[in-house]
Amino acid sequence: QVQLQESGPGLVKPPQTLSLTCSVSGGSIRSGGYYWSWVRQPAGKRLEWIGRIYITGSTNYNPSLKSRVTISVDTSKNEFSLKLNSVTAADTAVYYCARVRVEDYYYYYMDVWGKGTTVTVSS
Amino acid sequence: DIQMTQSPSTLSASVGDRVTITCRASQSISSYLAWYQQKPGKAPNLLVYKASNLESGVPSRFSGSGSGTEFTLTISSLQPDDFATYFCQQYNSNPYTFGQGTKLEIK
Repeated sequence: QVQLQESGPGLVKPPQTLSLTCSVSGGSIRSGGYYWSWVRQPAGKRLEWIGRIYITGSTNYNPSLKSRVTISVDTSKNEFSLKLNSVTAADTAVYYCARVRVEDYYYYYMDVWGKGTTVTVSS
Repeated sequence: DIQMTQSPSTLSASVGDRVTITCRASQSISSYLAWYQQKPGKAPNLLVYKASNLESGVPSRFSGSGSGTEFTLTISSLQPDDFATYFCQQYNSNPYTFGQGTKLEIK
């Protein structure tokens, strides 16, 4: 059974770059068939989809974050990563990584999630 | 962006009760809706996809229905393990958006 685990600094100073990694176990990213995604949830607020990536490096991002986000994949390490630059306090949240299943060729939903990691943006 | 509104925000119920949670979309999303269960400190768990398809391994007491703009998640007979937060998510169009969550509490 595939499992995902987020890792990275719990504290980031503004306006630095937030960097997180999601390690995938129990399955190979390289085998394809799935996309890989990041989602976040500020305290007391609803979840927000950040973006997704395929093993080819093809990405799609939430337009509200697109200018600051980069998602990348490293198939040799079986992991994918998130970088969010120019962070502010508004980026403080629990960040989740997730596996994405494709339906009807074009529709994507998350079927396996990590437990999440808390990132606080503060000087 | 498509707005997703869940009701109620909090639901108090007892073991054995039948409960229904509603999710409304601000515009039609066809059937591209997922339901998740989340417990504190744990990973969200996929329950239903494409509005009514039960994810493998999910107990049959869970069911989803709806299309267009109105959707429901029903638990036919609440079990102690079901007390958690539930949220819906549309994946019809980018940005994919979530409901605010429904916290299911023990009465």
